[in-house]
Amino acid sequence: ILNVEQSPQSLHVQEGDSTNFTCSFPSSNFYALHWYRWETAKSPEALFVMTLNGDEKKKGRISATLNTKEGYSYLYIKGSQPEDSATYLCAFNNAGNMLTFGGGTRLMVKP
Amino acid sequence: DTGVSQDPRHKITKRGQNVTFRCDPISEHNRLYWYRQTLGQGPEFLTYFQNEAQLEKSRLLSDRFSAERPKGSFSTLEIQRTEQGDSAMYLCASSTGTVQETQYFGPGTRLLVL
Repeated sequence: ILNVEQSPQSLHVQEGDSTNFTCSFPSSNFYALHWYRWETAKSPEALFVMTLNGDEKKKGRISATLNTKEGYSYLYIKGSQPEDSATYLCAFNNAGNMLTFGGGTRLMVKP
Repeated sequence: DTGVSQDPRHKITKRGQNVTFRCDPISEHNRLYWYRQTLGQGPEFLTYFQNEAQLEKSRLLSDRFSAERPKGSFSTLEIQRTEQGDSAMYLCASSTGTVQETQYFGPGTRLLVL
């Protein structure tokens, strides 16, 4: 059984704050690490697919880093806005065809 | 809209009834996945198809669950004799086929079994 952990489970920040979350995953048999943003009543939206140790990816104010040797990834949001409020999910792929998800970090940004 | 679509978006049923959900993937995607998400948890893998062939099934998929993908296009997930523990969000995703490719998700079908 693969164990993918995300922390914190939930986070409340003020508009303009920068924030980050952690995803930890097994360091063996690594193929890819995915980040998704899931807003209520919408489809989970793919943010990043990361495959190489040391990968850094950026999309607007959101960025992510990957350390496959120690089995963790960080997601950063710079200058949080209310529209960033969502659940952020990471998912690990170890060469099987399925994704193993963490429990998610629920972010709430107060105006 | 060319994304993944699912129907219905919500379903309320009584325990013991059968329910069927439909997923229409992105048209050129040959892989289709079903996941289930319960409150407070991340989505869990149920099964996946490569074209019309069902290639992998989770042990979560009891014999009351059956999935099909006739002709390799849309897919259906049927739950027979529903139980209250089947209440969950059922998500469908599709991808082009390589392991490291993004899986694109639909909005899900929320099932409530009374």
